[in-house]
Amino acid sequence: RKEVEQDPGPFNVPEGATVAFNCTYSNSASQSFFWYRQDCRKEPKLLMSVYSSGNEDGRFTAQLNRASQYISLLIRDSKLSDSATYLCVVNTGTGRRALTFGSGTRLQVQP
Amino acid sequence: GAVVSQHPSRVICKSGTSVKIECRSLDFQATTMFWYRQFPKQSLMLMATSNEGSKATYEQGVEKDKFLINHASLTLSTLTVTSAHPEDSSFYICSARDQSSNQPQHFGDGTRLSIL
Repeated sequence: RKEVEQDPGPFNVPEGATVAFNCTYSNSASQSFFWYRQDCRKEPKLLMSVYSSGNEDGRFTAQLNRASQYISLLIRDSKLSDSATYLCVVNTGTGRRALTFGSGTRLQVQP
Repeated sequence: GAVVSQHPSRVICKSGTSVKIECRSLDFQATTMFWYRQFPKQSLMLMATSNEGSKATYEQGVEKDKFLINHASLTLSTLTVTSAHPEDSSFYICSARDQSSNQPQHFGDGTRLSIL
């Protein structure tokens, strides 16, 4: 079983749509969680951290459910520029400070 | 601006060539840097953790004699792909953590390696 699992997509949505991505992680000792965005042939860039209380940044909302080991990202009012691959990322924090990446969910927003 | 500089961004070379990739932290010191590899349509996979002044820690399945890592200073780590073959063609990305930043890691721009 992969440490971090995501639906690869692609998700094809029209502009203005709301879209949600889900992610599950296997290590219950995981301590911190993030969503990264990666454009084609580019390095990943931090989109937002994910907190147990849930957090929002503009059109983006992230949620964490520790009991179910589940993370989500909601994008409202999708823009063409949101087209990218969204990576769910987990840090176990057990002495290793490297990040474990999901394989990513591809989003294509269409005009 | 970029806080981690990676060079070169693109390499195309013949099979059997050794290729060195540099990763520099700008404006901060990094005792630890990370090297990832990403094959097309796959996730970033951690290859090794580079430790300043000591040996790198390699992930399972990554050959340490094939992927030589040197972290000789607090701002520079290098990854050398020795005697590269076509199956080594991939996107290599380094990252480093700035303790004073709230970001989990800063990534370099990546190096796209193509072995002919």
